[in-house]
Amino acid sequence: GAVVSQHPSWVICKSGTSVKIECRSLDFQATTMFWYRQFPKQSLMLMATSNEGSKATYEQGVEKDKFLINHASLTLSTLTVTSAHPEDSSFYICSAREEGGAYEQYFGPGTRLTVT
Amino acid sequence: RKEVEQDPGPFNVPEGATVAFNCTYSNSASQSFFWYRQDCRKEPKLLMSVYSSGNEDGRFTAQLNRASQYISLLIRDSKLSDSATYLCAIYSGTYKYIFGTGTRLKVLA
Repeated sequence: GAVVSQHPSWVICKSGTSVKIECRSLDFQATTMFWYRQFPKQSLMLMATSNEGSKATYEQGVEKDKFLINHASLTLSTLTVTSAHPEDSSFYICSAREEGGAYEQYFGPGTRLTVT
Repeated sequence: RKEVEQDPGPFNVPEGATVAFNCTYSNSASQSFFWYRQDCRKEPKLLMSVYSSGNEDGRFTAQLNRASQYISLLIRDSKLSDSATYLCAIYSGTYKYIFGTGTRLKVLA
């Protein structure tokens, strides 16, 4: 099956610093990747849709200058949380949809971010 | 009305029981439907796609009712290892997937 990796799996950082999270599709090409955030005991919330070679599409209420997304290749998308604050602490999960495939999307293992 | 709605549960069932969850959606133009399973502090994993004709995978059966705009997931002979949160996801053709809030299932020994 399609495999998506995410790195790092967890990170603890100080308030005001920036954190970069990588999402890779390992055995398929993904024109479109998605970034979600999930707070404890809550549902997945789509933050943005990342398109290879173009700007990401952000959901309402998500600050594009705070959550920088770069989808530089068909197998890699990155999310950078800039000037992180404790309220940004969350579980960030990426997913990818296979180019030319059916509409299933496959999730990375997630990154648990804690901002102190 | 939310685009996708699920009963959050929890559904507490004994081992061996049959349990069913529904997920309703509001966009009649929705094209594709999925069930995902999410374990605590883990990422969602695709359980099965839901086809118009319904589909079955072992103890799991998924069905789509377009007229009433819902999908269902039936789990037969529940195992302890089935305990998880089950998320439905709807794709409406705009490169965006909408997830339900999930239904928690606890299978009790």
